[in-house]
Amino acid sequence: EPEVTQTPSHQVTQMGQEVILRCVPISNHLYFYWYRQILGQKVEFLVSFYNNEISEKSEIFDDQFSVERPDGSNFTLKIRSTKLEDSAMYFCASRLRLAGSYEQYFGPGTRLTVT
Amino acid sequence: GIQVEQSPPDLILQEGANSTLRCNFSDSVNNLQWFHQNPWGQLINLFYIPSGTKQNGRLSATTVATERYSLLYISSSQTTDSGVYFCAVGITGFQKLVFGTGTRLLVSP
Repeated sequence: EPEVTQTPSHQVTQMGQEVILRCVPISNHLYFYWYRQILGQKVEFLVSFYNNEISEKSEIFDDQFSVERPDGSNFTLKIRSTKLEDSAMYFCASRLRLAGSYEQYFGPGTRLTVT
Repeated sequence: GIQVEQSPPDLILQEGANSTLRCNFSDSVNNLQWFHQNPWGQLINLFYIPSGTKQNGRLSATTVATERYSLLYISSSQTTDSGVYFCAVGITGFQKLVFGTGTRLLVSP
């Protein structure tokens, strides 16, 4: 069964450094999402992406964040200058563009630790 | 925005017991998903159930969209069922999911 993959599974970085989290969505999916979960809290929406542009973003998704689909398979989340509070689990998700079918498929997550 | 509430927040069971987890939401939705977060932090998709009833082994789910709630049933619980269960809902538009705060389940042997 096709699945969403994410790399790396765990990344440790120093405050102020740039990080890029990578995702490979399911191949025929056209909507892409990033969510994050701070330890012990609920999962929060960051951004959605469709047709090579951001379709919606949350207030968390400020100028330090950017997303890109550099080729036909990868979907990346970049944090320009990491802060301690960016430490979280980041999940990528994707779904079909099909009326009446809205199920999102989640990747296993990347645990980001900022020291 | 839409509010999603889950109950109970914590649940402790003996192995073999049955349980019901509830998810209430404050607006009409066209997507509802149940997830199990395992000890490694992965979100395992249990059900996509915007309405109706589905069953998968010992787990089943029912969503009554008109009354804005969903229930997740776990029968004959096992220690591997331990973890956090999240309900997430989506409304129209680009369908971001809004997650509830979860139910933390501990199944003891």
